[in-house]
Amino acid sequence: KAGVTQTPRYLIKTRGQQVTLSCSPISGHRSVSWYQQTPGQGLQFLFEYFSETQRNKGNFPGRFSGRQFSNSRSEMNVSTLELGDSALYLCASSPGQVREKLFFGSGTQLSVL
Amino acid sequence: AQRVTQPEKLLSVFKGAPVELKCNYSYSGSPELFWYVQYSRQRLQLLLRHISRESIKGFTADLNKGETSFHLKKPFAQEEDSAMYYCALIHGGATNKLIFGTGTLLAVQP
Repeated sequence: KAGVTQTPRYLIKTRGQQVTLSCSPISGHRSVSWYQQTPGQGLQFLFEYFSETQRNKGNFPGRFSGRQFSNSRSEMNVSTLELGDSALYLCASSPGQVREKLFFGSGTQLSVL
Repeated sequence: AQRVTQPEKLLSVFKGAPVELKCNYSYSGSPELFWYVQYSRQRLQLLLRHISRESIKGFTADLNKGETSFHLKKPFAQEEDSAMYYCALIHGGATNKLIFGTGTLLAVQP
């Protein structure tokens, strides 16, 4: 089985722009979660989706949004980028039940200049 | 508030020495705890979870509710154990939301 795939691998944007990151979960997995990883704050939860519905949301401003499609693929969008949004964004998938093991992707490294 | 604390940023040991990576948590309900590991240039992956009560790659972790701890232990460290280790707590309820500690870098010297 192919693992969790995240595209693109690297992104460079400037302040004020917006960005869309993509995540394809493991085949058959219906739950997708997103995490932000920074040296200062570590790993922080952004959102969790299950069957196209947001099941949980972290403490991030409204500039961060996400969605999940009927094929379980997910996207997250960050609008009006700030320098502090520079981070590694990780996507993780799981079959769909709660309190499960997560399978992580390699991440998208976003740099905001 | 739910929180996971890993007090050591770096733990350096010699090959063959015992290892203990500390993890303390604060959580009002019935916690579910995990250890995730990230080896160099690899993805973050699950090492073990407390409900499984299993040993993976020689590592074990026991949930101590009295001390609110979930320390990761291995009796004899190997060089291939060098990695970043994260303790994590499931937030609770109908979710897979993980609250991570800040991680401990384990360096096993030859």
